Amino acid sequence: SQQGEEDPQALSIQEGENATMNCSYKTSINNLQWYRQNSGRGLVHLILIRSNEREKHSGRLRVTLDTSKKSSSLLITASRAADTASYFCATIMDSNYQLIWGAGTKLIIKP
Amino acid sequence: DADVTQTPRNRITKTGKRIMLECSQTKGHDRMYWYRQDPGLGLRLIYYSFDVKDINKGEISDGYSVSRQAQAKFSLSLESAIPNQTALYFCATSDPLAGGGHEQFFGPGTRLTVL
Repeated sequence: SQQGEEDPQALSIQEGENATMNCSYKTSINNLQWYRQNSGRGLVHLILIRSNEREKHSGRLRVTLDTSKKSSSLLITASRAADTASYFCATIMDSNYQLIWGAGTKLIIKP
Repeated sequence: DADVTQTPRNRITKTGKRIMLECSQTKGHDRMYWYRQDPGLGLRLIYYSFDVKDINKGEISDGYSVSRQAQAKFSLSLESAIPNQTALYFCATSDPLAGGGHEQFFGPGTRLTVL
């Protein structure tokens, strides 16, 4: 069963614009992670936010977490063509340490 | 050299054949995982291993088996492949002592097609 659900499933924007992706989950979590996957390749960890954190930044990435709504958002500012990829959220629950994955958002940056 | 490697990268096989996918890592991590990815479904956990003597079933272990030959090696076997096992397979590792976040590091994937 999948814990996370990303929204939207696909997003297409112009280079330079900001991209926002959302993730909702069902149970309490220890932390939430975002990963990027370039077409057909392995996933790469982007950023982790713990359940007691509300916002985190890494370069052009900004992640927020609202545990009351069981949701997170990933903002990519000043998008570039190289940001074209699928983005996945994954959560770790308190009771175990397996990552539970959402279905991903496919982001296309148009030059 | 890549930290997590998978062989083969692509494989086409026939229904009923036995196939093994291999994963090696140089990260020194104790924890290793096998996932499959199907279009639109994200990643689903097949098996995971927290050390050489600890192997656990994941969400979708039926039809699969694993072997943890050493800390660095974790193999996934399909004893009798069937077409609905056609998917992209990923190996991953993690080190729970590294910051406690359980970030996972992925191999490049194996694209398996069962005819």
